[in-house]
Amino acid sequence: EAQVTQNPRYLITVTGKKLTVTCSQNMNHEYMSWYRQDPGLGLRQIYYSMNVEVTDKGDVPEGYKVSRKEKRNFPLILESPSPNQTSLYFCASSLSSSGEQFFGPGTRLTVL
Amino acid sequence: GQQLNQSPQSMFIQEGEDVSMNCTSSSIFNTWLWYKQDPGEGPVLLIALYKAGELTSNGRLTAQFGITRKDSFLNISASIPSDVGIYFCAGRNYGQNFVFGPGTRLSVLP
Repeated sequence: EAQVTQNPRYLITVTGKKLTVTCSQNMNHEYMSWYRQDPGLGLRQIYYSMNVEVTDKGDVPEGYKVSRKEKRNFPLILESPSPNQTSLYFCASSLSSSGEQFFGPGTRLTVL
Repeated sequence: GQQLNQSPQSMFIQEGEDVSMNCTSSSIFNTWLWYKQDPGEGPVLLIALYKAGELTSNGRLTAQFGITRKDSFLNISASIPSDVGIYFCAGRNYGQNFVFGPGTRLSVLP
């Protein structure tokens, strides 16, 4: 089944404790992206990747890192999480930057 | 970054009624997408539009690419309880990433 998977689905952590949210797609998509969703703000892009080893900042990249060592995986790294990063995070992928994006199920992160 | 506006922010309708919502931008787009998000899930693509004036249907859903290229509309006919959720629009222009609207929350009363 074609899908985007994220892990973990739920995470509660404390300020400053490094964490990684994994994202994997099995559709051989070149373009992958991370979004955060906050009430009333919709989906805001954090980082995106056009292909392996190519990543770029989105609209809200501060406090986040990403890597794209393999085509299928696009992990989101929070080196020192802070409470304002409490949010619902979605990974998405598409054939290209102009293509329709397929979303993962989301990761709800709470930073205390 | 760019912002899209969606209207209404939320709506309560009776089962069986038709629904209309829209999305507007200050910039022109060459692609509009409409997504639906169920509680606890990621957004799922409903309809994609690629040409100004285009009208596309998916079952009871119909979406239109506005002729000015700055807006798009989604209509749902004969609503049912499973239509409940948040509807997002997304748009992009050539060479740019997609931007998403804040969503329209739909509630269907039995």
